[in-house]
Amino acid sequence: AQSVAQPEDQVNVAEGNPLTVKCTYSVSGNPYLFWYVQYPNRGLQFLLKYITGDNLVKGSYGFEAEFNKSQTSFHLKKPSALVSDSALYFCAVRDGSGTYKYIFGTGTRLKVLA
Amino acid sequence: NAGVTQTPKFQVLKTGQSMTLQCAQDMNHEYMSWYRQDPGMGLRLIHYSVGAGITDQGEVPNGYNVSRSTTEDFPLRLLSAAPSQTSVYFCASSRTSGGLRQETQYFGPGTRLLVL
Repeated sequence: AQSVAQPEDQVNVAEGNPLTVKCTYSVSGNPYLFWYVQYPNRGLQFLLKYITGDNLVKGSYGFEAEFNKSQTSFHLKKPSALVSDSALYFCAVRDGSGTYKYIFGTGTRLKVLA
Repeated sequence: NAGVTQTPKFQVLKTGQSMTLQCAQDMNHEYMSWYRQDPGMGLRLIHYSVGAGITDQGEVPNGYNVSRSTTEDFPLRLLSAAPSQTSVYFCASSRTSGGLRQETQYFGPGTRLLVL
């Protein structure tokens, strides 16, 4: 069965510093990996995804994620955090078996301190 | 485009009551899905559909029914509400016909449901 783990409930980072939000996954076939962001009282917004190809994926708002097959990880990164990046971040996976079942992680709250 | 819309935004039900959460999209997406979001548990897939007339169960389908008679609409029905169904419900849609590179879920604003 597929699963996603976000080991940190909250990540605090100072504005201007680099940030990393961690995600590990488990799927039986090829992984299709996604990051979403949720601002208070809003729906989720797509940030980026990995399908195949380059292990470094670039997305919206300056975010990027690195796919590491050997470590089964897909960590979200940004070189310089902004206060406006403070939000709830979700990692999600869909396996390549042909089903359309997405599994989401429990979310990581990012707090960027001014 | 309005994207994905959900109604109502907020609803209070008594245990045993029934209701339908509405979801509509105007992007001609084949795939639609329902999730519930609970603190500490992230989003969990309830039901999904890959096209009109086709639905399937997700992780937590018990207590919920769905149907997909049109491409645009994907209502979620609670036949007999229970306090355990208190949650925030999100609908999402995605194109699938263009292959994986086109497959991205777009989420609605959510429906907050309280069952007393």
